[in-house]
Amino acid sequence: EADIYQTPRYLVIGTGKKITLECSQTMGHDKMYWYQQDPGMELHLIHYSYGVNSTEKGDLSSESTVSRIRTEHFPLTLESARPSHTSQYLCASSGEGGSGNIQYFGAGTRLSVL
Amino acid sequence: KNQVEQSPQSLIILEGKNCTLQCNYTVSPFSNLRWYKQDTGRGPVSLTIMTFSENTKSNGRYTATLDADTKQSSLHITASQLSDSASYICVVSDRGSTLGRLYFGRGTQLTVWP
Repeated sequence: EADIYQTPRYLVIGTGKKITLECSQTMGHDKMYWYQQDPGMELHLIHYSYGVNSTEKGDLSSESTVSRIRTEHFPLTLESARPSHTSQYLCASSGEGGSGNIQYFGAGTRLSVL
Repeated sequence: KNQVEQSPQSLIILEGKNCTLQCNYTVSPFSNLRWYKQDTGRGPVSLTIMTFSENTKSNGRYTATLDADTKQSSLHITASQLSDSASYICVVSDRGSTLGRLYFGRGTQLTVWP
């Protein structure tokens, strides 16, 4: 069982609200990732971080932002949520060793914007 | 464009039966290939990871094969159980960047009936 946690698990909010999805890991991993996944579709990387104070945009353009002030914490923020943001958001982390290391995923946050 | 294609899209089998899931990829330069299991509403969990030089790897009732020449992989599940019902995702990593970018297939949705 991976020690990576996401909260909330489910979130239903109205358009225009600001939200923050939390992700924390206790494995001491430097690399962390945010993916977006729609039903029946592949995961798309939207943000990643190599370590503290490092954040990069992923393959899929996203209006969300991330921060990495502490190694264990990698929150994702939407300043003004829209129905198009409705999706599942998965956080992951991996240790040293480049692409050879396994990414451990959290349980995900299912976001619905009304 | 780097792609990972999985087949079939969905599969229904009876408990106790075996099945094989397929994955074809075009990712280059290739680093490794992983199979993940994703239960409904959860994050993916790693089953196997194989590098270029590995042809087969087992994890309990799961056996993955890799043919790096034809860029094909398969995941064989033996003596299926109801708990095997999940989406099985093929993920290929390249070695063209420090991050080790991951390319995700859309998954095969497996349903095991009693």
